[in-house]
Amino acid sequence: SAVISQKPSRDICQRGTSLTIQCQVDSQVTMMFWYRQQPGQSLTLIATANQGSEATYESGFVIDKFPISRPNLTFSTLTVSNMSPEDSSIYLCSVDRGKNTEAFFGQGTRLTVV
Amino acid sequence: GENVEQHPSTLSVQEGDSAVIKCTYSDSASNYFPWYKQELGKRPQLIIDIRSNVGEKKDQRIAVTLNKTAKHFSLHITETQPEDSAVYFCAASTATGANNLFFGTGTRLTVIP
Repeated sequence: SAVISQKPSRDICQRGTSLTIQCQVDSQVTMMFWYRQQPGQSLTLIATANQGSEATYESGFVIDKFPISRPNLTFSTLTVSNMSPEDSSIYLCSVDRGKNTEAFFGQGTRLTVV
Repeated sequence: GENVEQHPSTLSVQEGDSAVIKCTYSDSASNYFPWYKQELGKRPQLIIDIRSNVGEKKDQRIAVTLNKTAKHFSLHITETQPEDSAVYFCAASTATGANNLFFGTGTRLTVIP
């Protein structure tokens, strides 16, 4: 298994500001993943974060809006920039242990933009 | 990219009955198909998964079947209990690992005591 800690667990932010979400894993992993879950909706992959290289973004997500850092093999951050109410969602980080393993999710960060 | 469709969006069953949730996917390269259960306010939890070299997998009351030719897979829950009530998501991935997941839209299962 994997123990994943996300901070903050929730926040209420003013529109136009930015929030950085932290994800800490209890052991080294090659890739870390960021997902968004809008209210009452499914999970959508935002990007994949590799240590030492730029994150890979899925269609509809761009680096200027969701910059990601991956400074080492146990930590990543996702920033939600210039927030609007449409960014109100739960943001989750996830890891796996490679081939034939399962994906583990952090507890999520519930973001409300007012 | 991968597109995963899931049906039904809501499902109500009597306690003890069976529940079936179905998903289809579009990318023939997908090779990993997990099912997640998400209770209100909690993170998704894996309940069962199947990889493309297997047609069926069972774990106690839960089973998953996969038809690669038709690109669909299904979750079967037998002898349902009230604690099975939750939102269930299917997902598909082409990755070597278990991530890079594309999720279905979810099924809200209610088990009526």
